Amino acid sequence: DSGVTQTPKHLITATGQRVTLRCSPRSGDLSVYWYQQSLDQGLQFLIQYYNGEERAKGNILERFSAQQFPDLHSELNLSSLELGDSALYFCASSVGPMNTEAFFGQGTRLTVV
Amino acid sequence: AQKVTQAQTEISVVEKEDVTLDCVYETRDTTYYLFWYKQPPSGELVFLIRRNSFDEQNEISGRYSWNFQKSTSSFNFTITASQVVDSAVYFCALDDRGSTLGRLYFGRGTQLTVWP
Repeated sequence: DSGVTQTPKHLITATGQRVTLRCSPRSGDLSVYWYQQSLDQGLQFLIQYYNGEERAKGNILERFSAQQFPDLHSELNLSSLELGDSALYFCASSVGPMNTEAFFGQGTRLTVV
Repeated sequence: AQKVTQAQTEISVVEKEDVTLDCVYETRDTTYYLFWYKQPPSGELVFLIRRNSFDEQNEISGRYSWNFQKSTSSFNFTITASQVVDSAVYFCALDDRGSTLGRLYFGRGTQLTVWP
């Protein structure tokens, strides 16, 4: 158990809908990272938050947004969903702003039908 | 440009064989970190090792060993006496600091199947 908790584990939704994925980092970790794993693109970095502030942005679509709350949990919001958004979404956390060790959650498998 | 290349898409071995998974990386930074993760069929990403660019000493952990060679930009992973439970997708990843602090670049992964 990595200590990073993601909910829900599975999500099935229709095109055009909006979903929210949740991540609770390991105790003491201030950084949260979101990654998307798809067959086409592999594992890709989406965005990082550190202590509530956005720190780095990767290949995140404009339809996607994220935030980190004062209690350090993070949410990834995906809207206007398309079939191609079906993927495994991972959250990772680390103590500092640099990814010296990143422990991943079990992922949320999103299926858009 | 691909920063991490795992040329082996799939490898199949029989139990007790040794197997090496290749990883070649690309970076201009002098400070960087290399990682290996295991993704079993259940889907989670399991952290195996982190190595910084200043430490070229090879590492052994049980049946696992890692060979880091800066001269060839490689960070290969060997499983000795493989077991069926080693069947998984293995990812090599790079954190090259530079202008991309805090993100990992992943290779496409190598699917390892160990047959009984």
